[in-house]
Amino acid sequence: EVQLLESGGGLVQPGGSLRLSCAASGFTFRSYAMSWVRQAPGKGLEWVSTVINSGSNTYYADSVKGRLTISRDNSKNTLYLQMNSLRGEDTALYYCAKLRGGYGGPAGHWGQGTLVTVSS
Amino acid sequence: DIQMTQSPSSLSASVGDRVTITCQASQDISNYLNWYQQKPGKAPKLLIYDASNLEAGVPSRFSGSGSGTDFTFTIGSLQPEDIATYYCQQYDNFPYTFGQGTKLEIK
Repeated sequence: EVQLLESGGGLVQPGGSLRLSCAASGFTFRSYAMSWVRQAPGKGLEWVSTVINSGSNTYYADSVKGRLTISRDNSKNTLYLQMNSLRGEDTALYYCAKLRGGYGGPAGHWGQGTLVTVSS
Repeated sequence: DIQMTQSPSSLSASVGDRVTITCQASQDISNYLNWYQQKPGKAPKLLIYDASNLEAGVPSRFSGSGSGTDFTFTIGSLQPEDIATYYCQQYDNFPYTFGQGTKLEIK
């Protein structure tokens, strides 16, 4: 059974940093692209970033480019999101999602999310 | 970036009704279009991929159609458990983008 468990969320001041993790199990992690998708309170879904299976290619939404960095450790079956220069508009529930293919595709499995709150 | 315009933003229907949601892409995305269901307090769930393919285990009352720029999601006979928000998403190009969502309520 595919399981995705996010962690690392919390309260951080504007301009601060946070690192999210997503521990994956139940599938061959190194074979699949992974994404982060976020949802601000009461709002819709926003795709944030994707990393392909090898980790060599990454993609970002314009709203986070240059501030958030996606990465993965295939030896630890873990996905990361390094979040720097955080702003109030980054406040959201952050979901980790497994994509169908090695380079992208539909998000067939999701974690339960970790909440990031950016506030002074 | 590809913009996804979803309508309506909210919808009220009765049990047994046929429900239709539309999604329009700002450019041709072939059939690289997914539909997700999100129930309150839960993570999204993939229902339809590649515009018209039903994800394993999803009831057959859900269906999707379209290609190019115009897509349709249909619930053939609305059930009480279908109360949720539904999102389209394109994956033809990065950045992947979602529609703004359709909140479905029971009348």
